[in-house]
Amino acid sequence: KQEVTQIPAALSVPEGENLVLNCSFTDSAIYNLQWFRQDPGKGLTSLLLIQSSQREQTSGRLNASLDKSSGRSTLYIAASQPGDSATYLCAVGQKSGYSTLTFGKGTMLLVSP
Amino acid sequence: GAGVSQSPSNKVTEKGKDVELRCDPISGHTALYWYRQSLGQGLEFLIYFQGNSAPDKSGLPSDRFSAERTGGSVSTLTIQRTQQEDSAVYLCASSPMINTGELFFGEGSRLTVL
Repeated sequence: KQEVTQIPAALSVPEGENLVLNCSFTDSAIYNLQWFRQDPGKGLTSLLLIQSSQREQTSGRLNASLDKSSGRSTLYIAASQPGDSATYLCAVGQKSGYSTLTFGKGTMLLVSP
Repeated sequence: GAGVSQSPSNKVTEKGKDVELRCDPISGHTALYWYRQSLGQGLEFLIYFQGNSAPDKSGLPSDRFSAERTGGSVSTLTIQRTQQEDSAVYLCASSPMINTGELFFGEGSRLTVL
């Protein structure tokens, strides 16, 4: 059974810092990996989707990498802003044909002005 | 609408009552998922619909839970004889194609069972 772990569980940084969120998974036979953002009381917003054949994806100040063989992904946030404060969730897709995702418990990020 | 729409946004019910939660996916999306997010827990897969295929019900926690998707669009998740442990946020997601796997989530329905 796939297990997804996110470290750290919580992170507090001052505005402007670059930061890395970590995600690890136990079964490397994945189909894709997706990073989401969740604001309090809200649904999930998709940030980046990496297919298993890809090594990284970039969107603005966000960069996600995938090392399937070692079962790891990182989300890099450059020049953090208070508006980046949220919970970040990593989810791994297992099956081709369709993708049911296994989620980590998330990293709660607080960026202070 | 532009995104996945869920209703009600909040539901408070008494133990033993039945509840229905509704999801209206993004127009044209063929895949629809239900997930549950309990306090302090990760998201838990419940059920998946893809087109006219039989749904994948492997995540439903008990036979009190059921879901249907009418006309390949709107879905309803029904919980019968609710229990306090059913209290959670129920999230619906849709996906445009089978192979991209990218999910787009609604804002969820928060269920509180007293």
